[in-house]
Amino acid sequence: SSELTQDPAISVALGQTVRITCQGDSLRNYNAGWYQQKPGQAPLLLIYGQNIRPSGIPDRFSGSSSGNTASLTITGTQAEDEADYYCNSRDTSGNHLVFAGGTKLTVL
Amino acid sequence: QVQLVESGGGVVQPGRSLRLSCAASGFTFNTYAMHWVRQAPGKGLEWVAVIWYDGRDKYYADSVKGRFSIFRDDSKNILYLQMNSLRAEDTAMYYCARDQRQWLLNWYFDHWGRGTLVTVSS
Repeated sequence: SSELTQDPAISVALGQTVRITCQGDSLRNYNAGWYQQKPGQAPLLLIYGQNIRPSGIPDRFSGSSSGNTASLTITGTQAEDEADYYCNSRDTSGNHLVFAGGTKLTVL
Repeated sequence: QVQLVESGGGVVQPGRSLRLSCAASGFTFNTYAMHWVRQAPGKGLEWVAVIWYDGRDKYYADSVKGRFSIFRDDSKNILYLQMNSLRAEDTAMYYCARDQRQWLLNWYFDHWGRGTLVTVSS
């Protein structure tokens, strides 16, 4: 299968830790990328490859993976982290890219 | 700093064509693979196409293969997306995005433009 799935919505209390997961067969072979998108803005790369953060991304964002599941963890969630989060990876053919449907994170 | 600026969007009738452009600056354009990604109103992200840094390989999503064509003009630092036989379901914000890794195709997008809106409607 070339599909990736995420929970549509998650909520977290301010300052708490939240994990957003992404599942799919392709994740057994390819690393996930994680993106944050706020309303009216282009997506922002948060995590890529072997759980690498691009320059400028706060260290409260981290990634992990196991089997067919990749996870994005936000430790000490801030109000400004309220956004949509998308994972992606190459599909099983290796020549296409697939996005999951996204998770809307609400910070309470 | 890296800048990507899309243009060419608009309202077009079903079955017609449209060409999008993405002007790149702030980096050595001809050393990076480039992608198009779209987002239908209120929906998630969908990868559309990629072109290698030297243009030798191109890949397309199944939903656009045979109708869309990605190409680049490295002399002008511009990425293009030629869209033919447009359908209502192609209505979306179209983003160009730079691949994260120089000289390789890494399939992560480290810089994005602000997008250009394409509406396919009669």
